[in-house]
Amino acid sequence: ETGVTQTPRHLVMGMTNKKSLKCEQHLGHNAMYWYKQSAKKPLELMFVYNFKEQTENNSVPSRFSPECPNSSHLFLHLHTLQPEDSALYLCASSLYLAGGHEQYFGPGTRLTVT
Amino acid sequence: QQPVQSPQAVILREGEDAVINCSSSKALYSVHWYRQKHGEAPVFLMILLKGGEQKGHEKISASFNEKKQQSSLYLTASQLSYSGTYFCGPDLYGNNRLAFGKGNQVVVIP
Repeated sequence: ETGVTQTPRHLVMGMTNKKSLKCEQHLGHNAMYWYKQSAKKPLELMFVYNFKEQTENNSVPSRFSPECPNSSHLFLHLHTLQPEDSALYLCASSLYLAGGHEQYFGPGTRLTVT
Repeated sequence: QQPVQSPQAVILREGEDAVINCSSSKALYSVHWYRQKHGEAPVFLMILLKGGEQKGHEKISASFNEKKQQSSLYLTASQLSYSGTYFCGPDLYGNNRLAFGKGNQVVVIP
């Protein structure tokens, strides 16, 4: 139990669908992250939030839309995705957005775009 | 810019030792190490900061050469539980934005 939960764990969606991924952390952390993990590729940082404010958008296409209503919850809204967006989407949190703070990862959502 | 991790894969028998490496082309504030088992979330192992400070699991041994921008993780007297993919994530500026490498796949066999 890492203290970071993600739902759903698996998601299959068509290219015209709209869906959302949810992440919740129970660690009292203030920074939250979205990562994309594709087969044979390293973890790619997508978005960073610090005290609910977005501080990083790592050139992510607009079909991915993050939302952070509070420091404990993070969403990733998906629409008109492409097959190459199929991947494992991981949420993580850390106490602060500063060097030296480990990140705690959730189990991920395995997304398949058909 | 992502670091280079080597070797890409290593197979070792229980009780053997191995070293896995992470090299960056840029100066680093710190290096994070995580281990991910198949189908599971990455788990934090260690952070090595410039200046010599380390933070993480006592049973994990690692080094950080600031001049060479390299970090090494030492798997000593390996156990079956050490199997997994090890990712290093350099933090260039001390802002916790990590650029992960492709990973070192470690398989420990009985």
